[in-house]
Amino acid sequence: DGGITQSPKYLFRKEGQNVTLSCEQNLNHDAMYWYRQDPGQGLRLIYYSQIVNDFQKGDIAEGYSVSREKKESFPLTVTSAQKNPTAFYLCASRSGQTKNIQYFGAGTRLSVL
Amino acid sequence: LAKTTQPISMDSYEGQEVNITCSHNNIATNDYITWYQQFPSQGPRFIIQGYKTKVTNEVASLFIPADRKSSTLSLPRVSLSDTAVYYCLVGDTGTASKLTFGTGTRLQVTL
Repeated sequence: DGGITQSPKYLFRKEGQNVTLSCEQNLNHDAMYWYRQDPGQGLRLIYYSQIVNDFQKGDIAEGYSVSREKKESFPLTVTSAQKNPTAFYLCASRSGQTKNIQYFGAGTRLSVL
Repeated sequence: LAKTTQPISMDSYEGQEVNITCSHNNIATNDYITWYQQFPSQGPRFIIQGYKTKVTNEVASLFIPADRKSSTLSLPRVSLSDTAVYYCLVGDTGTASKLTFGTGTRLQVTL
């Protein structure tokens, strides 16, 4: 089936540790996005990428890093500089043809030990 | 990006029609209006999109007045399974533009 796969579903981070969240899509979409969602809140944009080897900061990029070495993959690293990483992380992709229609993964819930 | 304003929450009984309005006073000429639905611990999913007048699909209708400064998502005969958060987004359809979600409208449907 075509879609977006996020892994793992649950992730725990120790103090001072970097962790990487995986996002893979087989929809052949050009653009990919990472959002953070805190309990009872909306989605906030962390990073987005229009094409391979290019990405831009969103509204809350501090403490996060990304890479886009392949069209299908857009991993997000939560670094130790992110002091409050506990949240629900959502990855999305969009075709340049689909007029703002984003397709989302099932999310990764990150907690701090 | 056009800023959007939606009610924080709404309540409805099963079987009723629900209308959720989104204000977007500074919408640009190239902007489309898109609505998403999100269930707890899931990613949002696309419901409907429009540019002007009325759009209808199997799930909902979207009403957009001539000035396009607001839009209304209409859910006919809601059921308990329509309990979710609904987001209104406004943005152009250019290549991979930055898309911003607001806080959405939390719809609670009861018997």
